Amino acid sequence: KQEVTQIPAALSVPEGENLVLNCSFTDSAIYNLQWFRQDPGKGLTSLLLIQSSQREQTSGRLNASLDKSSGRSTLYIAASQPGDSATYLCAVPMDTGRSARRGRRALTFGSGTRLQVQP
Amino acid sequence: DAGVIQSPRHEVTEMGQEVTLRCKPISGHDYLFWYRQTMMRGLELLIYFNNNVPIDDSGMPEDRFSAKMPNASFSNLKIQPSEPRDSAVYFCASSFYSNEQFFGPGTRLTVL
Repeated sequence: KQEVTQIPAALSVPEGENLVLNCSFTDSAIYNLQWFRQDPGKGLTSLLLIQSSQREQTSGRLNASLDKSSGRSTLYIAASQPGDSATYLCAVPMDTGRSARRGRRALTFGSGTRLQVQP
Repeated sequence: DAGVIQSPRHEVTEMGQEVTLRCKPISGHDYLFWYRQTMMRGLELLIYFNNNVPIDDSGMPEDRFSAKMPNASFSNLKIQPSEPRDSAVYFCASSFYSNEQFFGPGTRLTVL
């Protein structure tokens, strides 16, 4: 069974700092990994999707990397701003390998990293 | 595109009542997912559909929960009878094939 772990659980940084959020998963046979942002009381906003054939994806100040062999992904946020304060979640397909290709597409999520950027 | 639409946004009901949550996926998406989020258990899959057909309902907690997708633009999740432990935020998400999933704003359910 796929398990996803996110470290740290919470992070507080001053504005302008570059930071890295970590995600690890137990079964490396994934076909993609998705990072989300969740603001308090709100839904999930998709930030980046990395396919298994990719090593990284970039969107603005965000850069996500994927190392399948080690079962890790990182989300790098450059020049953090108070508006980046939110919970960041990573997610991978619930089943992997052959069963995933047969149609299981649901996600299993980490517990998230709660980020606070101080002005 | 308006994104995934869910209604109601908030629902407060009393134990034993029937609750119906609704979802309209993004047009053209062929996968629809229902997830539940609680403080204790985080985000968990309840059920998902592919081309309106239920594929995996192993996350549906009990027979009190049921979900249907009568057409490509609508799904509902019903709880009957509701119990206080059903209180959570229920999210609907959709995707095209195995690509990026997009989430709705969620329905915050409180069962008294």
